[in-house]
Parts: sequence; C-alpha cells; structure tokens
Amino acid sequence: AQSVTQPDIHITVSEGASLELRCNYSYGATPYLFWYVQSPGQGLQLLLKYFSGDTLVQGIKGFEAEFKRSQSSFNLRKPSVHWSDAAEYFCVHSGAGSYQLTFGKGTKLSVIP
Amino acid sequence: DAGVTQSPTHLIKTRGQQVTLRCSPKSGHDTVSWYQQALGQGPQFIFQYYEEEERQRGNFPDRFSGHQFPNYSSELNVNALLLGDSALYLCASSWTSGSNEQYFGPGTRLTVT
Repeated sequence: AQSVTQPDIHITVSEGASLELRCNYSYGATPYLFWYVQSPGQGLQLLLKYFSGDTLVQGIKGFEAEFKRSQSSFNLRKPSVHWSDAAEYFCVHSGAGSYQLTFGKGTKLSVIP
Repeated sequence: DAGVTQSPTHLIKTRGQQVTLRCSPKSGHDTVSWYQQALGQGPQFIFQYYEEEERQRGNFPDRFSGHQFPNYSSELNVNALLLGDSALYLCASSWTSGSNEQYFGPGTRLTVT
C-alpha cells in the first residue's frame, strides 16, 4: 500500500530563517508527489508538484522541493520564512494508475516574529 | 475563473440522519474527488467520479455514496450518520488527462450530534 511519512508533527522557526520539512514515501514505481498547504479556515492549496524530469521543482510562494529516489524523499524547503507561512503542510503521493491522493499526517509550522 | 466551490459551509446533523454535500468543480475540470479530513489528520480519500461513474473508492463503507451530474458537479451523500462522521469534507476537481493534479474547495464542516 502507498504511504507517506512526515516525521515532524510540529516545527517552529524564526521569521527569516530557512525551513526544511521532511517527507518520505513508500511505493515501487515513480510516483507523483505534491506538497499542499492548509491555512486555518482555508482550503488546501497546491504549492508544487513532481511528475518526472528535473528532481528540483519550484513552487509558489518561494517554496522548492527535491525528489531523491535513493532516499524515497521529497523534502520541502524555503530559504527565508515569512510569518504568513505559518500553516499545516501536507506531503501527498499518487501512484501511477491510481486516482487517489494519499496524504501524510501533516506538519504544523509555527513562525516566531 | 471560479475555483472549486462547496455548499453548505457548515452543517449540524443528528446521529442516524442523512446528509447531502455539494461541489462544483473548477472550470475546465471533468473529474471530482471527495475526501474526509478528521480533526488533526490528513484528508482521506473517499471516492472519485468521472463521466458520472464512481471510478475509484477508498476504504469507506457503503453509507457513503455519490453522484456526478452532466455538468460535472457532484454530490456526496452519507446515510445513517455516526458521531465519527464529524469531519471536514473536501471536494477536489481535476482534469482526467492531467497527472492527478487536484484542486480543492474550502470544504464543508459536518458536525454530528
């Protein structure tokens, strides 16, 4: 079965500091991978996606993620965090031939001014 | 360009009742998926509709059913409500020829008392 692991439940960073949110997936074939963000009272917003090709993908709001097949990882990064980035972040996986998205449990990001 | 819309925003029902939630997909999208997000958890896939048929189903009982209309909008029906059905119900739309990139609505918050 497909699964996605986000090992960090809650991360706190200072505004202006760099950020890395970890994600590991388990699936044999090359997956489709996504990062979504969910702010309080708002729906899920797609930050970025990886389907194939270049393993470093750029997204909205200055986020990027790197796909590492050897480590089964797809970590999300941002060089300088803004207070408005405080939210819940979900790593999401979709296997080839499957229509469902499988979500990790999420990482809550808090930003200290 | 309107995004995914859902109605109602909030709903309170009594155990044993039935509920219908509605979703209109993003313009140009022909596929609708439904997810259940319990408090503090990532969304769980319920099912996906394409061409007015259920194309894939997650691990949810038959009490959960759906429908897709010719204009691609969709309904989620839940019968014999249980307290454990209290959750945020998210609708996502996508284009079937895309790489399962799904766009989410704001959700319907269902409370079962």
